[in-house]
Amino acid sequence: KAGVTQTPRYLIKTRGQQVTLSCSPISGHRSVSWYQQTPGQGLQFLFEYFSETQRNKGNFPGRFSGRQFSNSRSEMNVSTLELGDSALYLCASSLDAGLYTEAFFGQGTRLTVV
Amino acid sequence: DAKTTQPTSMDCAEGRAANLPCNHSTISGNEYVYWYRQIHSQGPQYIIHGLKNNETNEMASLIITEDRKSSTLILPHATLRDTAVYYCIAEKPNTGNQFYFGTGTSLTVIP
Repeated sequence: KAGVTQTPRYLIKTRGQQVTLSCSPISGHRSVSWYQQTPGQGLQFLFEYFSETQRNKGNFPGRFSGRQFSNSRSEMNVSTLELGDSALYLCASSLDAGLYTEAFFGQGTRLTVV
Repeated sequence: DAKTTQPTSMDCAEGRAANLPCNHSTISGNEYVYWYRQIHSQGPQYIIHGLKNNETNEMASLIITEDRKSSTLILPHATLRDTAVYYCIAEKPNTGNQFYFGTGTSLTVIP
């Protein structure tokens, strides 16, 4: 089956702009989570969406937002970009069924803010 | 969520078993131990998870101590493709993949 697809793979934006990243989960998966990975802070949880509702949220400013569509595809948006937002943004999907959560990650979108 | 402690880096000879330790002394009764790995420039990959029993799958074995305060991930025959950062995570189930990844162990498999 197809894996988690993130688009675009690479992106360069200017400080102050906004950006939208897309994530298509594995077919049948209803939970989509987003992570930011930087050399200094490592992998940090941004938020999780389930059935079009934000269910969990990490400790990031309001400039970071997301949404999920009825087909479980998700987008995240970062407004008023700062240089420190340069990072690898990863999305993960899971069934969200049963007792355990096995998350499948995409290849990520590498965002560079100049 | 329970914090985990892992060595920063380890080396392993190709073909030998790689034993990656993890300390989770504050783990609570309903938190599972998960292992993920991240090969350079890729997204993390699920390896294995367990609650209190030892577990084995096609990738690895997970040994959890009886008091659940530590665990060891075993890659039985390490290959060069196993070179990656390995993350040990203690997490309750069904929390929306809200994992605390920590810094992980950078495993280098040496030819």
